Amino acid sequence: DTGVSQDPRHKITKRGQNVTFRCDPISEHNRLYWYRQTLGQGPEFLTYFQNEAQLEKSRLLSDRFSAERPKGSFSTLEIQRTEQGDSAMYLCASSPGLAGGRQYFGPGTRLTVT
Amino acid sequence: SQQGEEDPQALSIQEGENATMNCSYKTSINNLQWYRQNSGRGLVHLILIRSNEREKHSGRLRVTLDTSKKSSSLLITASRAADTASYFCATGLSGGSNYKLTFGKGTLLTVNP
Repeated sequence: DTGVSQDPRHKITKRGQNVTFRCDPISEHNRLYWYRQTLGQGPEFLTYFQNEAQLEKSRLLSDRFSAERPKGSFSTLEIQRTEQGDSAMYLCASSPGLAGGRQYFGPGTRLTVT
Repeated sequence: SQQGEEDPQALSIQEGENATMNCSYKTSINNLQWYRQNSGRGLVHLILIRSNEREKHSGRLRVTLDTSKKSSSLLITASRAADTASYFCATGLSGGSNYKLTFGKGTLLTVNP
């Protein structure tokens, strides 16, 4: 059983640099989600894809953030001009078509901006 | 923004004891889910209870839901050291946005051997 995978697992970058994360969902899942989690907090929703269509973006997702899901398979999350406040765990999840059901989470990418 | 609030924020018990965590939320929901997160890792789904259900069991887990009070509780019986983790409740909302989850801040459970 192949779960959700994320790459890289850890990323350290200097302020002002661009970073890109990748998420590979469970293959038959058409829904993909990105969340951000800071220390001591629960995950916060960033954005959601159904197949290749990005259907909602949180106001947390500033214009420095962009997400894509070409061909409805893997997804990338890019952060441009990183700031120290971007330091967090970025979690990807996927789910089959049932709205509001269980989501399957990847291990996360921990970003540290120095 | 966080929809739910877990209580307590931290809980420390001895192995074999039961652990109870509570979650309160603010808006109408489609379902409520509980997830576990070991330190620095991804979330693992534990159990989902729908808004028309009042109680659900899964192994050593028991979840209750009171929609009139907008609250839920998670009971872990006969706890083990391996249950040490953070536990989050997450709500799937009613209406058009019922695909995304809104998480609380979590309860950090420590089970001492």
